[in-house]
Amino acid sequence: DAMVIQNPRYQVTQFGKPVTLSCSQTLNHNVMYWYQQKSSQAPKLLFHYYDKDFNNEADTPDNFQSRRPNTSFCFLDIRSPGLGDAAMYLCATSIQRQTPTDTQYFGPGTRLTVL
Amino acid sequence: SQQGEEDPQALSIQEGENATMNCSYKTSINNLQWYRQNSGRGLVHLILIRSNEREKHSGRLRVTLDTSKKSSSLLITASRAADTASYFCATDPDSGGGADGLTFGKGTHLIIQP
Repeated sequence: DAMVIQNPRYQVTQFGKPVTLSCSQTLNHNVMYWYQQKSSQAPKLLFHYYDKDFNNEADTPDNFQSRRPNTSFCFLDIRSPGLGDAAMYLCATSIQRQTPTDTQYFGPGTRLTVL
Repeated sequence: SQQGEEDPQALSIQEGENATMNCSYKTSINNLQWYRQNSGRGLVHLILIRSNEREKHSGRLRVTLDTSKKSSSLLITASRAADTASYFCATDPDSGGGADGLTFGKGTHLIIQP
């Protein structure tokens, strides 16, 4: 079945130790998004790729980077995780960027714990 | 700034009853979407209503949109225990330059009591 896959589902890292979260999709969608969702809060968009075109939200910390080597894969790199970066990280895809927005398809998320 | 705000923040009803959740937003939108999230999981798209639509149905779901009041409601009829989840509204602001991602509200946590 076509889907959005996130690995790992749970990630534990140490304060300041770089960590990479991965997302892959079999939907062949043009757009991939990364959201951060802290406990009991709404998902917050960090950035998105339209094909290889990277779009960063204005308030996304520099500590967060992303890579999209091909259509299927997208990575979230946290260079120096702090305690405040502990959250669920959600990857999503949509067919293409247009007005109005297409439905987004979410992966199951990666829950990041920072010790 | 937070675009969507849902109320109530939490709702507990008996199985079989109807559940109504509301969402308000601040700026002009292209569309409004509702998503469901089970505990510790990703979001699942439920329904999308465009800015020129006033009401939409999908199975036991009914969504309304009032662009003059910048508000939407989600009605789940004949609720089931499996409907227990958090429900988020999400807006696609009408920025004029194409879609740049969704802005989510804080969500309503719905509990269906058996």
